[in-house]
Amino acid sequence: KNEVEQSPQNLTAQEGEFITINCSYSVGISALHWLQQHPGGGIVSLFMLSSGKKKHGRLIATINIQEKHSSLHITASHPRDSAVYICAVGFGNEKLTFGTGTRLTIIP
Amino acid sequence: GAGVSQSPSNKVTEKGKDVELRCDPISGHTALYWYRQRLGQGLEFLIYFQGNSAPDKSGLPSDRFSAERTGESVSTLTIQRTQQEDSAVYLCASSLAGTGLYGYTFGSGTRLTVV
Repeated sequence: KNEVEQSPQNLTAQEGEFITINCSYSVGISALHWLQQHPGGGIVSLFMLSSGKKKHGRLIATINIQEKHSSLHITASHPRDSAVYICAVGFGNEKLTFGTGTRLTIIP
Repeated sequence: GAGVSQSPSNKVTEKGKDVELRCDPISGHTALYWYRQRLGQGLEFLIYFQGNSAPDKSGLPSDRFSAERTGESVSTLTIQRTQQEDSAVYLCASSLAGTGLYGYTFGSGTRLTVV
């Protein structure tokens, strides 16, 4: 069973700061997902990556397969980025295993 | 449809009653997943459907839980004799194929409260 750990569990930052959220997993995977969950429960898929780096707007996700580690970065953070960010990993056609999430709060 | 649709969005039920939750995946998505998120906890896998293959039911917490999916269309998750610990948000997700190589689209969830 894959163990997924995220850090930090909670993060509060000022608007404009550069944010980094980390995810480590224990077993080789085929893909890693970063998800965003806003209050009310809705989940949005941000990234799916199996190697390297992806960028979408102010969001950047990287993965190091050898080290079994991924990071999600947010540049020029904004209060609307406040949400829970969840890392999830999958292998083959197996269901995803989720981290417990990082609660991000951006203060204006 | 344009996204994954779940209904109802909220459900309050009395302990001991049966409930049925519905998920309408994106058209053409062969893989469908049900997850559960209890208050303050992470997402837990419940069940996975891939096309016409036998579903992976390994995450269902008890025999009170069951799910069906006809072909590649709508899925229903049924909880019989609900208990208070069943209170959670039940999320459905679909994917183009269950290979782990495609993104997932999540529904908005059904918030179940058992009183």
